[in-house]
Amino acid sequence: EAGVTQFPSHSVIEKGQTVTLRCDPISGHDNLYWYRRVMGKEIKFLLHFVKESKQDESGMPNNRFLAERTGGTYSTLKVQPAELEDSGVYFCASSQGDRVAYNEQFFGPGTRLTVL
Amino acid sequence: AQSVTQLGSHVSVSEGALVLLRCNYSSSVPPYLFWYVQYPNQGLQLLLKYTSAATLVKGINGFEAEFKKSETSFHLTKPSAHMSDAAEYFCAVSILNRDDKIIFGKGTRLHILP
Repeated sequence: EAGVTQFPSHSVIEKGQTVTLRCDPISGHDNLYWYRRVMGKEIKFLLHFVKESKQDESGMPNNRFLAERTGGTYSTLKVQPAELEDSGVYFCASSQGDRVAYNEQFFGPGTRLTVL
Repeated sequence: AQSVTQLGSHVSVSEGALVLLRCNYSSSVPPYLFWYVQYPNQGLQLLLKYTSAATLVKGINGFEAEFKKSETSFHLTKPSAHMSDAAEYFCAVSILNRDDKIIFGKGTRLHILP
């Protein structure tokens, strides 16, 4: 069974440009999460989808970030316009249920975003 | 709010030696605690978790961790390091029935010396 996949693995863009990251969760997982790790800091929660609905988007940094999950399958995270501080590794994770203590979140390898 | 502190961003041990990665948590209520590992070019993988059952938790690849409430610690250990253990390790906490998010530490990169 395929794990969580993310595309692209790396992206280098200039400040002001737009970038779209994609995450394909494990088939059948209703819960999809986005996290971000800025260099040298903690991995931080961005948002949580249950199917196509945003359950919790309290971690989204600002309105330059837009996440979608049309149809409840794959998800995209768009950054527009990108700023220097958006550089980091963006992780996606999926799980069957939403209680983290009982439902393991399976993580993708991440997308490394560099904004110049 | 809950948080975790990992002591040491880099730890080096010799192959065959004891691995000890330190994690302290802060929480006003009983937490759920996790250790994740990230091997190069891979996603995070759950090593083990504590969910209020036994305080000594055994995980994959010979790792274990002990929940010590009095010390607010959840240190990760392995009796004998192997070269394949070289990776970055993350301690994390969550509070059930609160926001139920995973709060990660900054990570500790484990280096294995031949």
